[in-house]
Amino acid sequence: GAGVSQSPRYKVAKRGQDVALRCDPISGHVSLFWYQQALGQGPEFLTYFQNEAQLDKSGLPSDRFFAERPEGSVSTLKIQRTQQEDSAVYLCASSLDSSTDTQYFGPGTRLTVL
Amino acid sequence: GENVEQHPSTLSVQEGDSAVIKCTYSDSASNYFPWYKQELGKGPQLIIDIRSNVGEKKDQRIAVTLNKTAKHFSLHITETQPEDSAVYFCAATLWNTGFQKLVFGTGTRLLVSP
Repeated sequence: GAGVSQSPRYKVAKRGQDVALRCDPISGHVSLFWYQQALGQGPEFLTYFQNEAQLDKSGLPSDRFFAERPEGSVSTLKIQRTQQEDSAVYLCASSLDSSTDTQYFGPGTRLTVL
Repeated sequence: GENVEQHPSTLSVQEGDSAVIKCTYSDSASNYFPWYKQELGKGPQLIIDIRSNVGEKKDQRIAVTLNKTAKHFSLHITETQPEDSAVYFCAATLWNTGFQKLVFGTGTRLLVSP
């Protein structure tokens, strides 16, 4: 079946621009996660949704980062006034529900801020 | 919070040899330990996982061992093949947050030479 998809796959932004990254989780998956992966590093947790509720946003680096999942399916990660340090791969993952261990990852969006 | 250390950072083996990657974690309450394989330009893919009530798990050429007392776990790949070349990440998670909050190691780049 279809896995987690993300778009765009690549995004180049000028410093100060706003960007929006989209995640389509596996159909029926209740839990959705966003991670940030810097070059040569492991993914780092950003935020967690259970259906449309954002239950944890402790990993968001600053108030320029905002995530939403209004209908409990597709999610968008928005970064306002991008900075060079925001350059990274942004990964989305979903799992069946909050009691399920396995997280399935999408291919990621590589963001480059010039 | 949880901290996961992983080593080695790079590992080169000949085809047919075994490869071992080791991780340590800091929080004794961690109870789920997945391993992910990440190929260039792709998202992490779960290859095997282990829960804290099990000491070892095997899936064909891949095995994971867990030592709760020492707080370390290892990935073992036998009869390595060139297609095993990738970056491997270990992770540990805590349930006390109400969901599986993955904390990743820094990754091991495995190169299998024909």
